Amino acid sequence: DSGVTQTPKHLITATGQRVTLRCSPRSGDLSVYWYQQSLDQGLQFLIQYYNGEERAKGNILERFSAQQFPDLHSELNLSSLELGDSALYFCASSPREPGELFFGEGSRLTVL
Amino acid sequence: AQSVTQLGSHVSVSEGALVLLRCNYSSSVPPYLFWYVQYPNQGLQLLLKYTSAATLVKGINGFEAEFKKSETSFHLTKPSAHMSDAAEYFCAVSVGFGNEKLTFGTGTRLTIIP
Repeated sequence: DSGVTQTPKHLITATGQRVTLRCSPRSGDLSVYWYQQSLDQGLQFLIQYYNGEERAKGNILERFSAQQFPDLHSELNLSSLELGDSALYFCASSPREPGELFFGEGSRLTVL
Repeated sequence: AQSVTQLGSHVSVSEGALVLLRCNYSSSVPPYLFWYVQYPNQGLQLLLKYTSAATLVKGINGFEAEFKKSETSFHLTKPSAHMSDAAEYFCAVSVGFGNEKLTFGTGTRLTIIP
């Protein structure tokens, strides 16, 4: 158990819909990262937050947005969903040691 | 920008044999290098990390990796494979404090043959 909690574990929705994925980081970790894992793209960095502020942005689509709340949990919002958005979405938190990320078990999104 | 290349998307070894998973990196600054493992239906777990101290790094479950600057490599090895080592392994690179995000390779799926 990494200490990072992600909900929901599985989500099935239709094209054009909007979903929200939630992440609770390990106790004490200020950094939260979101990654997308798909068969064709591999593991892609989406976005990082540090203590509520956006710190780094990767290959995140404009239809996607995220935020980190004062209690440090984070949400990833995916809108106008397309079939190609079907993937595993991982959240990770870090004590800010470079690269030492603790991953949740992921949220598997299926868009039909 | 930094990147890693993993050679071989699938590797099969016999139980008890040497495991060698290859990773080469590209970075304009001294890199931090990592190996992560992903078991089926689980998140990624840190195996080991190189952060410019010793070039031979020991990790969990008997794995180790050697940083070779001249070859820009960070290959993962284990002397004797165990059935429980079957998983997907990812090499990753970071450029350190101030830019802690990881850039992952495409992964190598390790199969252990009984």
